[in-house]
Amino acid sequence: QLVLTQSPSASASLGASVKLTCTLSSGHSSYAIAWHQQQPEKGPRYLMKLNSDGSHSKGDGIPDRFSGSSSGAERYLIISSLQSEDEADYYCQTWGTGVGVFGGGTKLTVL
Amino acid sequence: EVQLVESGGGLVKPGGSLRLSCAASGFTFSSYSMNWVRQAPGKGLEWVSSIGTDITYRYYGDSVKGRCAISRDNAKNSVYLQLDSLRAEDTAVYYCARLEGGSGFYYFGYWGQGTLVTVSS
Repeated sequence: QLVLTQSPSASASLGASVKLTCTLSSGHSSYAIAWHQQQPEKGPRYLMKLNSDGSHSKGDGIPDRFSGSSSGAERYLIISSLQSEDEADYYCQTWGTGVGVFGGGTKLTVL
Repeated sequence: EVQLVESGGGLVKPGGSLRLSCAASGFTFSSYSMNWVRQAPGKGLEWVSSIGTDITYRYYGDSVKGRCAISRDNAKNSVYLQLDSLRAEDTAVYYCARLEGGSGFYYFGYWGQGTLVTVSS
């Protein structure tokens, strides 16, 4: 079964960097994923598509501070030079056979 | 500019029905598969349904299968979600999203702002 696992929460200081992790279930380590950001009281926003080789393509207007990388079944979202507006929920997402799959989301707190 | 605007949410009693609409603009609507994703209060995102460009394929999540029908009208640049036999656990913000990608991997490239459905007596 295709499952995405995320830690429920993460925190980092203003101006620092943070790495969020999304883990693909066994047998699905070659899958690409997408990262989405949801700021408080807003709809989700597409950040980037991330392939198993670490190559990624970002959505329109996404700052260079956002990047991605991959290692085995793990997909990472790296945010550098954290700003207050980066405090949000971050969801990874992939696609099964006609089925969209989301991770449980990570709530990022900027200290 | 791509815009997706949902409407049709509201308060409905358990067992009732509701039809959600999503009006699209800023792109060639007929060329994209469209989806509905929902978010219960305080919870994460849950994919609900997907419809292809030529409606030959329609998929549903297990939690709504048999109670839900997705449709589209390319002449009106709109996608719809008919929700029947509504339950309290269907209470959520429902988002319309445009599907991007290919070669077996798809993702939600654009999202609407959502419409709230509340199921309560």
